[in-house]
Parts: sequence; C-alpha cells; structure tokens
Amino acid sequence: QVQLQQWGAGLLKPSETLSLICAVYGGSFSDYYWSWIRQSPVKGLEWIGEINHRGGTNFNPSLKSRVTMSVDKSKNQFSLKLTSVTAADTAIYYCAREIIAARGAFDYWGQGTLVTVSS
Amino acid sequence: VMTQTPLSSPVTLGQPASISCRSSQSLVHSDGNTYLSWLQQRPGQPIRLLIYKISNRFSGVPDRFSGSGAGTDFTLKISRVEAEDVGVYYCVQATQFPRTFGQGTTVEIK
Repeated sequence: QVQLQQWGAGLLKPSETLSLICAVYGGSFSDYYWSWIRQSPVKGLEWIGEINHRGGTNFNPSLKSRVTMSVDKSKNQFSLKLTSVTAADTAIYYCAREIIAARGAFDYWGQGTLVTVSS
Repeated sequence: VMTQTPLSSPVTLGQPASISCRSSQSLVHSDGNTYLSWLQQRPGQPIRLLIYKISNRFSGVPDRFSGSGAGTDFTLKISRVEAEDVGVYYCVQATQFPRTFGQGTTVEIK
C-alpha cells in the first residue's frame, strides 16, 4: 500500500521560506515523478513542479525563481522550498506521485498541508 | 488554459452526469499520446485519480466512470450517479509544461 506523508511549517510570515517534506512509503521510488501541487480558493489547483529520483526537475515558470526541490533516495523523501513567500502563497500544499508512462496520472496524494502566510 | 463546464452539476441519484473539459491548445503530445486525466476530490478524502490518458480507468475506479475525447475536447461521464460521487472533479493536462488544471466541477445531488 502506497502512502505519501507530508509535513512542514503551517504558519509563515511574509518573506520567509516555505519548507515541506514528503515521505513515500511503499512502492518504487525510482519509477515515478514526484510533484508538488497547491490549492487555493483564488487559483484552484496549481502545479508547482516535479522531481525524479535522479534529481531532475521541472518547475512552473510562474514560481521557478523561488522554488527548490530535492530528493533523498536513502529515506524515500522529497522536499519543497519556496522562498520569499507572500499572502498569495497561502494554500493547501500537496505532494503527489505521477506515473512516468502516463503523465498527468497523479495516482497517490499526500494528505495536504495548509500553509498560511500572515504577518 | 483548461476550461471545465459546467462548474456545478446537480444530478438525481441514478441519473447520468457529464463534465466537459476544453483545452486552449491540442493536448496531443509529440509521442502520440494525449495526457489528459480526471481527478476527484471528495470532502475529507484524499484527491483521487479516476482516469488517465483520456479514457483509462485507474485501478479500483468503478466502471460507471468513463472518459472520452480527443485533441482539445474531453468529457468525463458518470453513467449512474451514486451518493459517494458527490465532490469536485478536475481535469488536468500533462502534455505541456506547466501542468494545468481545470477550475473544477462540483457534482451534487438534487
């Protein structure tokens, strides 16, 4: 049974750095892309970016200058950092697994982390 | 841009429901595949993959869910809506970067 369990700080001040980790339990770590997606009432679902087990990444151009993703294969974990956050970054952040051979097939999701940016 | 219609779909139990998703560009990838998926978000539940590559039902998804379409126009159909189908449905394209989602369609029981 595959599970994605995520955690990280839920309350940030403007200009701080958002940091989230997603741990993968079960299944192969190397046969998938690992994505971060956020959801807000204003923007709906927004794809932030993805990383594979080798560290190869693709990012949303709208966030690229502020996003870093990394992977720790020894722990089956991947992480997201988003710098210089503003209120516009307030959202529920999800990690998700994407089937490489069926792009867009996000078959397992984390439980979501509500991140609020407020002074 | 992915545009879903309708944004809200009140349906009688046992009746069909249909959701449209239209892309501003063709979603046919250079490899010949069309990477269009459908997701379900039910209250208090993790987001769930229903359909991938237009019409492939993911493991465990009931066969009352079906996907169809080509190019820029796609449809998710629920043949007979059940109470557990209440939720928000999203299309997502993965042919191009960045991946983009539709606005979501809320299916509710009349």
